[in-house]
Order: sequence, then C-alpha cells, then structure tokens
Amino acid sequence: GAVVSQHPSWVICKSGTSVKIECRSLDFQATTMFWYRQFPKQSLMLMATSNEGSKATYEQGVEKDKFLINHASLTLSTLTVTSAHPEDSSFYICSAETGGTEAFFGQGTRLTVV
Amino acid sequence: AQKVTQAQTEISVVEKEDVTLDCVYETRDTTYYLFWYKQPPSGELVFLIRRNSFDEQNEISGRYSWNFQKSTSSFNFTITASQVVDSAVYFCALRGFYGGATNKLIFGTGTLLAVQP
Repeated sequence: GAVVSQHPSWVICKSGTSVKIECRSLDFQATTMFWYRQFPKQSLMLMATSNEGSKATYEQGVEKDKFLINHASLTLSTLTVTSAHPEDSSFYICSAETGGTEAFFGQGTRLTVV
Repeated sequence: AQKVTQAQTEISVVEKEDVTLDCVYETRDTTYYLFWYKQPPSGELVFLIRRNSFDEQNEISGRYSWNFQKSTSSFNFTITASQVVDSAVYFCALRGFYGGATNKLIFGTGTLLAVQP
C-alpha cells in the first residue's frame, strides 16, 4: 500500500512556542490530506481537509489561526500549532489520498506542551 | 448526518477465544464505504478492510472476518482464535461517495480489545 510519513513522531515544546508537523506521501501524489486530533482513549476528530494549492477547510470549532495548515505540493502538507499551550497537547495524525476511497495514515505525532 | 457507533468500549478475552467487535452506522447516502482500522499502542492506524455499500458479501482474511448487514446498518468484525498481538483499539469508520459533501471519514469511538495470555 501507499506510504505516508509523518514527522516528528513526538515533540515536546515550551508553552508559547510554535511547532510544525510534516505529512509526506512517499510514493504517490496526494491531492487531499486530512489532519486529525486524538485525545487519550478517544476517537480521531477531523480538524481540517487540505487540498493541494488551496486553503484548508477547517471543521467547526477548530481555530484556523491556531492550527495553520499548508499543502504546497502534492506530497507535503504541514500543520503548525502556533503559540502552543498545554491544552494543545495531543496526538495528531494525518492521512493522504489521491482521489480514491482509501486514506493512508501517517504514524502520528505526539505533542506535549510544557 | 453520518454517525458510527461502537457500543463496546472495552473487551477483554483470553487468548484463543473468538471475539466480535460491533459497528453500527447511520447515513443518508446510498453509496458509501465502511472501514475497519487497528490502532496498536504505538499509535499508527493500520488499515484492515474497506467495504462499499453495494457489496454485501462477507469477507474472510485469515483469522479476521467481517459481516456486513445493510438491513441492520451493521459492519461487525470477528477475530477468530485471538492472540495477544491482536490487543489494540479498533475503529470502525464510514465515508460517503467521493466528491460528495459526506466524503469525510467518520470514525466510531473505538473498541479497546485486550487479549490476555
């Protein structure tokens, strides 16, 4: 199957700093990428849908200025958590697809804000 | 609205037992897709199966089998002769037809399966 690489796997940052998470499709071109957030022992909640070359579509309740998403190429999308606070600590996971019905997931990034 | 319900929050079985994970979905779409994913403690999501709405054939893959019942809007997952390595959180998910407004992947709340040796 297709491979999606997410980096970093885990990150610890200080409150008030920004963190960038990368999601790359390694062997296919991803026209659409999705970003999810998962709290401990909870399900995946869709944050935003990102199409290459256009602005991301955010789900209701997700702060656009807080979670900046860029999808500048067909193989790379980035999520930047700006001015991170402890409540932003979570597991973030991306998925990528190329117009089909199946999404391929990255390994996830565990963010801890101290 | 689309919704996926996994009523079983946690299941604990002893190795070699069979276990069935339930999934019930709601959608107004006539064409849709159902998925099962496995999430081990490491966190990554492992794709297990995709089923489209017009294919109600049950599927078997090794120790895994899936029962799709459109009449009851259910897509249950059975693991035969469970093993400790099967311990994980299992998510059922639904998405609408590609290009439609309901094309997002909607996840259930997950079932934590613990297989005891």
